[in-house]
Amino acid sequence: AQSVSQHNHHVILSEAASLELGCNYSYGGTVNLFWYVQYPGQHLQLLLKYFSGDPLVKGIKGFEAEFIKSKFSFNLRKPSVQWSDTAEYFCAVTPNSGGYQKVTFGTGTKLQVIP
Amino acid sequence: DAGVTQSPTHLIKTRGQQVTLRCSPKSGHDTVSWYQQALGQGPQFIFQYYEEEERQRGNFPDRFSGHQFPNYSSELNVNALLLGDSALYLCASSTPGKRERLYEQYFGPGTRLTVT
Repeated sequence: AQSVSQHNHHVILSEAASLELGCNYSYGGTVNLFWYVQYPGQHLQLLLKYFSGDPLVKGIKGFEAEFIKSKFSFNLRKPSVQWSDTAEYFCAVTPNSGGYQKVTFGTGTKLQVIP
Repeated sequence: DAGVTQSPTHLIKTRGQQVTLRCSPKSGHDTVSWYQQALGQGPQFIFQYYEEEERQRGNFPDRFSGHQFPNYSSELNVNALLLGDSALYLCASSTPGKRERLYEQYFGPGTRLTVT
């Protein structure tokens, strides 16, 4: 079974600082990877996804993530954070095999951006 | 365009009771997944419904059951409630077709269940 680790539980940054949130997964085969975000008082929403092709994936609001297969990682990055990026971020993985496979989420990282 | 809606918003139940949670998918979506999110944890997959059948199930006991109706709405039922069932229950909808669309899940606001 697959699993996801997010080692940073709570990150505090000043505006304009660069962001990198770690995500490592455990699974022996090929995977699909996701980052979800939950802004305060809002629903969980998809930020970006990787299925195949270019391992550098660009998402909404200037976020990007890089899939490094050899490191089983899918870290989320943003060059310059804004106060509005304050949210909880979840990494998720699913096996890339036939049929629907369940999505496994990490425990989340709370990002607090200080103006 | 209505997104995913869930009812009720909050619910308080006693151990041993039964509860039913409801979900209406986003317009145009016909696949519904249910997740349990305990405090401080990420969502955990319970099961998914498509064409009124349970298509995939996570590691949850048989006390957790579901149903999907012809209009694609869905219910999550939990019997014999335990204190540990206290959590936020999330519903997500998607549409089949290409794999990428299937995994583009739209989440509802959740139902906060408290078991006392």
